[in-house]
Amino acid sequence: GEDVEQSLFLSVREGDSSVINCTYTDSSSTYLYWYKQEPGAGLQLLTYIFSNMDMKQDQRLTVLLNKKDKHLSLRIADTQTGDSAIYFCAESPPEGNTGKLIFGQGTTLQVKP
Amino acid sequence: AAGVIQSPRHLIKEKRETATLKCYPIPRHDTVYWYQQGPGQDPQFLISFYEKMQSDKGSIPDRFSAQQFSDYHSELNMSSLELGDSALYFCASSLPPGEQYFGPGTRLTVT
Repeated sequence: GEDVEQSLFLSVREGDSSVINCTYTDSSSTYLYWYKQEPGAGLQLLTYIFSNMDMKQDQRLTVLLNKKDKHLSLRIADTQTGDSAIYFCAESPPEGNTGKLIFGQGTTLQVKP
Repeated sequence: AAGVIQSPRHLIKEKRETATLKCYPIPRHDTVYWYQQGPGQDPQFLISFYEKMQSDKGSIPDRFSAQQFSDYHSELNMSSLELGDSALYFCASSLPPGEQYFGPGTRLTVT
């Protein structure tokens, strides 16, 4: 089945690290993504990880993938107020290899000054 | 860098009217996806096209149709609009497999 789940809300203080978690069900998904959405705006691709990797780092962002547990996380180091947004994880099921994305419900990240 | 372009950005229609949303993918991207995002919801996949052919279909109502043209732009046609069709409609493009880039969305309000 296709189901992606995230916790709905996370609040951190500016300068702290944020960790947003996601679980997915399709173990054969080839790519897993993190998108950021600010209020009223579009979806910004932050990073993605190929399923044969277990970690990917890109500046302040670190993605960890535990394929055995079907768990994906996004760590934001030195979180800033500009990081306040909704973060969606998404998987790309392999059926038909069409690349469609299945999104989680989104995690609202609130960064307090 | 060029991004995905969507037009119009905002659209207000009345019930039972029709609407056409347009999407211009990133140059050289041959795959286009359409998603619908209701208020407070996650984006839901509607339909996709690869090289002008429909490649996948999701939860798209029969009242909606879409196509991809020879210049790779795509249009989503929506007829007999209902109040529940009010949402943000996103187009995304990619060179499969991998990175999928989203446009800014069209906010459709049906009154």
